[in-house]
Amino acid sequence: DSGVTQTPKHLITATGQRVTLRCSPRSGDLSVYWYQQSLDQGLQFLIQYYNGEERAKGNILERFSAQQFPDLHSELNLSSLELGDSALYFCASSVGSGNEQFFGPGTRLTVL
Amino acid sequence: DQQVKQNSPSLSVQEGRISILNCDYTNSMFDYFLWYKKYPAEGPTFLISISSIKDKNEDGRFTVFLNKSAKHLSLHIVPSQPGDSAVYFCAASAGSNDYKLSFGAGTTVTVRA
Repeated sequence: DSGVTQTPKHLITATGQRVTLRCSPRSGDLSVYWYQQSLDQGLQFLIQYYNGEERAKGNILERFSAQQFPDLHSELNLSSLELGDSALYFCASSVGSGNEQFFGPGTRLTVL
Repeated sequence: DQQVKQNSPSLSVQEGRISILNCDYTNSMFDYFLWYKKYPAEGPTFLISISSIKDKNEDGRFTVFLNKSAKHLSLHIVPSQPGDSAVYFCAASAGSNDYKLSFGAGTTVTVRA
């Protein structure tokens, strides 16, 4: 158990819908990262937050947004969903903007 | 643009023997490298890391070797155990200015009894 929690575990929705994925980092970790893993691919970095502020952005679509709240939990919002958005979404946390990131169990999103 | 490449999608090894996983990278700004292990239905678990100032790091059965001139790293697992059967991801970051991790596509290791 990494100490990072993600909810929900599974999410099934339809094209055009909007969903919110939630992540609680390890106690004491200030950085939260979001990654997407599509079928048979490595993890792709989406976005990083550090202590409530956006720190780095990857290839995140404009339909996707995220935020980190004062209690340090983070939410990833995915809107106007398309079939290709079906993937595993992982959240990771680290103490600072640190190199060793600890991953949650992921949310499996299926868009029908 | 895949900056971290794991060219072997799978590896089968007998229990007790050595497993060698390889990883190549293209971005010369990468200065920190990590290996993660992933079981089905779980998130990746940090295994071992190495900074670019070193060429070897060892932790129990796991050793990572870094060859900066070749932009290549490898993970050795000795001896391999059935519980090592998992997907192994190589990852890299550009360190102090950029902590996001770039991942390879993974290598599935199967340890045969």
